[in-house]
Amino acid sequence: QAEVTQEPSLTVSPGGTVTLTCASSTGAVSAAFYPNWFQQKPGQAPRALIYSTRNKHSWTPARFSGSLLGGKAALTLSGAQPEDEADYYCLLYYGGVVVFGGGTKLTVL
Amino acid sequence: QITLRESGPMLVKPTQTLTLTCNFSGFSLSTSGVSVAWIRQPPGKALEWLAFIYWDDDKRYSPSLKSRLSVSMDTSKNHVVFTMTNMDPVDGGTYFCAHGGKSRLDYWSQGTLVTVSS
Repeated sequence: QAEVTQEPSLTVSPGGTVTLTCASSTGAVSAAFYPNWFQQKPGQAPRALIYSTRNKHSWTPARFSGSLLGGKAALTLSGAQPEDEADYYCLLYYGGVVVFGGGTKLTVL
Repeated sequence: QITLRESGPMLVKPTQTLTLTCNFSGFSLSTSGVSVAWIRQPPGKALEWLAFIYWDDDKRYSPSLKSRLSVSMDTSKNHVVFTMTNMDPVDGGTYFCAHGGKSRLDYWSQGTLVTVSS
């Protein structure tokens, strides 16, 4: 089964920009993996942010964007807010199955 | 407005079978392209996808757990049933169901915490 790897933790200053990445053990991530990104705060269910690499849900703040970067899926947060401190998970599609990454704990400090 | 909510036991004994029901509203599992996914999260750990059931009754399971999992749907009653056999303490955690569209998961349930203990 494929493994999906994310940075365990990252720190960003308020107002700053940070990029989280999502790598596949099978090789380069492409649009065919339909990367999804989720935000999860303590005690809450995950909230969907991005689907199919770069598409935002109606509730996704404009400061979040998705892309492909250097063979990985990427989530960029521009203008970080204190409320963005959370765990972030990517998800990749491998045909009929999906795999979550291990998550990135983002600290806004 | 799409909502999902699981129901089921919060405590199961080792070797027992876990059965959870995901009741949903705001969409139909008879609509082409729609699916319901099951995901779990052990305390303090990452999300783990478990299963999909699609509008056409196609089912997909995590390869590592496939022999223990089963999903079924009742489109008339708007719910999906998930079972996991031979439960072990390491299977404890929060179980979520989620609405799936074309290559995305968008709406999630609040989750139900399941403990496996004798």
